[in-house]
Amino acid sequence: QVQLQQWGTGLLEPSETLSLTCAVYGGSFSGFYWTWIRQPPGKGLEWIGEINYDDWGNESRNSTNYNPSLKSRATISGDTSKNQFSLKLSSVTAADTAIYFCARGIIRVSGRFDPWGHGTLVTV
Amino acid sequence: QSVLTQPPSASGTPGQRVTISCSGGGSNIGRHTVNWYQQLPGTAPKLLIYRNNQRPSGVPDRFSGSKSGTSASLAISGLQSEDEADYYCAAWDDSLNGVVFGGGTKLTVL
Repeated sequence: QVQLQQWGTGLLEPSETLSLTCAVYGGSFSGFYWTWIRQPPGKGLEWIGEINYDDWGNESRNSTNYNPSLKSRATISGDTSKNQFSLKLSSVTAADTAIYFCARGIIRVSGRFDPWGHGTLVTV
Repeated sequence: QSVLTQPPSASGTPGQRVTISCSGGGSNIGRHTVNWYQQLPGTAPKLLIYRNNQRPSGVPDRFSGSKSGTSASLAISGLQSEDEADYYCAAWDDSLNGVVFGGGTKLTVL
């Protein structure tokens, strides 16, 4: 059974860079779309972006894809040797205060995420 | 303002059947499958329905999904107190080139 364990800095000052990591346990890292999603307190879900690795564990061509609303502040990277992927979000403001979830995207062009990490509250 | 539109709230009594709608457009629900998530208070969302009407292993058959045109619905029959949660629809959007979510529906079991 695949489980996602996430961690990162919970309190930031404006203009700093948010940094979160998600580790994948009990399953393959290859062939999935590793995704970050956030949820401002009391509000709905927002897709941040994804990184994809092919079935052989290689970063796919055009492997990352981001929500344009983040205006190029987001960077998602991965480490196949550790089965981990990370999110960096630069120049944070109070509007970036949210619970950040990592999730496994089953197939592209689907919006199907299973499982999810437990979430990390980031306060700016 | 979410790309997919859901009613902010819904309610029902135990045993009743409740439906939650999700309205989109031609670039999302009109062209792609819909997924539904259940978020219990203080927890991460959980996949409830995928590919419009498929249930992951372990999800009771009280939960069902459907899609028609640019809209989708989640139905919960035999409502139980533990169904009280927030429910979100999600789909790929070609205009965004990413995933869009509904604003969420808070289900109250009276």
